[in-house]
Amino acid sequence: GIQVEQSPPDLILQEGANSTLRCNFSDSVNNLQWFHQNPWGQLINLFYIPSGTKQNGRLSATTVATERYSLLYISSSQTTDSGVYFCAVEGDFGNEKLTFGTGTRLTIIP
Amino acid sequence: DTEVTQTPKHLVMGMTNKKSLKCEQHMGHRAMYWYKQKAKKPPELMFVYSYEKLSINESVPSRFSPECPNSSLLNLHLHALQPEDSALYLCASSQAGTAAGNTIYFGEGSWLTVV
Repeated sequence: GIQVEQSPPDLILQEGANSTLRCNFSDSVNNLQWFHQNPWGQLINLFYIPSGTKQNGRLSATTVATERYSLLYISSSQTTDSGVYFCAVEGDFGNEKLTFGTGTRLTIIP
Repeated sequence: DTEVTQTPKHLVMGMTNKKSLKCEQHMGHRAMYWYKQKAKKPPELMFVYSYEKLSINESVPSRFSPECPNSSLLNLHLHALQPEDSALYLCASSQAGTAAGNTIYFGEGSWLTVV
């Protein structure tokens, strides 16, 4: 099956800092989503982005499908940004299985 | 309204108990999912229902039994679980499958502890 690796595994930043999270995947995809899992366990949708660039407030994401990676940018970090960020992909062979990456644990210090 | 509701939020059960986790969505989605997440690990797919029919079972032990009574509801029946089954169980839904164009939405999860 498709392999999904995220880096870095852990990131600790001061409030106000910017960060870049990376997601590498091993095959062509037709679905790529970024999620934020809050400390209570809920997975919150950030972006549906199998290709191209999107922005939503302080967050933006870019997927370069031909090079098999996606980046999530967080600017002016706030303590509420803390949690685990996952990318999840489905290969373009369309087997209806969304595979999650290994995750990046982000901790924002006041 | 992009909301998937799961009950209960917390469940403690003995190894001989029978219990159920429930999931509901009112977004008109026709695909629903159960994922299992162990501590410090990513979610792992367990089951997929498409148009109320089981389409994917990721070789899940039979002590987990899914049920889709209608297009809005998804249950996970639990029986004779083991302590290693303790985890966060996440329900999700999407318009159709997770192929191109279909965003998947997750509920808040049910924290299960087996004693």
